[in-house]
Amino acid sequence: GAVVSQHPSRVICKSGTSVKIECRSLDFQATTMFWYRQFPKKSLMLMATSNEGSKATYEQGVEKDKFLINHASLTLSTLTVTSAHPEDSSFYICSLHENNEKLFFGSGTQLSVL
Amino acid sequence: TQLLEQSPQFLSIQEGENLTVYCNSSSVFSSLQWYRQEPGEGPVLLVTVVTGGEVKKLKRLTFQFGDARKDSSLHITAAQPGDTGLYLCAVSGANSKLTFGKGITLSVRP
Repeated sequence: GAVVSQHPSRVICKSGTSVKIECRSLDFQATTMFWYRQFPKKSLMLMATSNEGSKATYEQGVEKDKFLINHASLTLSTLTVTSAHPEDSSFYICSLHENNEKLFFGSGTQLSVL
Repeated sequence: TQLLEQSPQFLSIQEGENLTVYCNSSSVFSSLQWYRQEPGEGPVLLVTVVTGGEVKKLKRLTFQFGDARKDSSLHITAAQPGDTGLYLCAVSGANSKLTFGKGITLSVRP
């Protein structure tokens, strides 16, 4: 099955800085990737759908200027949290579909904003 | 309104006990998935159920899809500490977007 690599696994940053999270598909070309956010012991909330070569589609309530998504190649999507604030602290997870069937998740990035 | 209601929210049991957890909805789905997530990791797909009334077994885990395809259950026999984790049910919507339930936090004490 597809293998998804997400980096970094953990990041601590100061308030006001920007943080970039990478999601790579190691053995599969993904035209679509998904970005989720998860608070402690809570469910995953879909933030946006990342489309290769075009603009991402954001879910209602997600600020597109705050969470910049770039999907420049079939194996890489990035999520940049701009001007991070403590309330942005969360667990961010990417995923992709293999042949529109199984959904594979990255190992997640724990963001802590001080 | 939550599309998928999972219960119980938290469960702490002793190793060797059996347990059943649930994923309920008022909507009908073409399929439903169960995931397990460990702390600091992404969810891992356990099973996809498709047919109403379907029962699938994965070692000590038994998954059932309701006859009306509105609900599902997960039964674990002789739970082990390695079963500890967050169990999420999810359904797929338009454009392959997944909607998750809030999850069930299971703790199995040795």
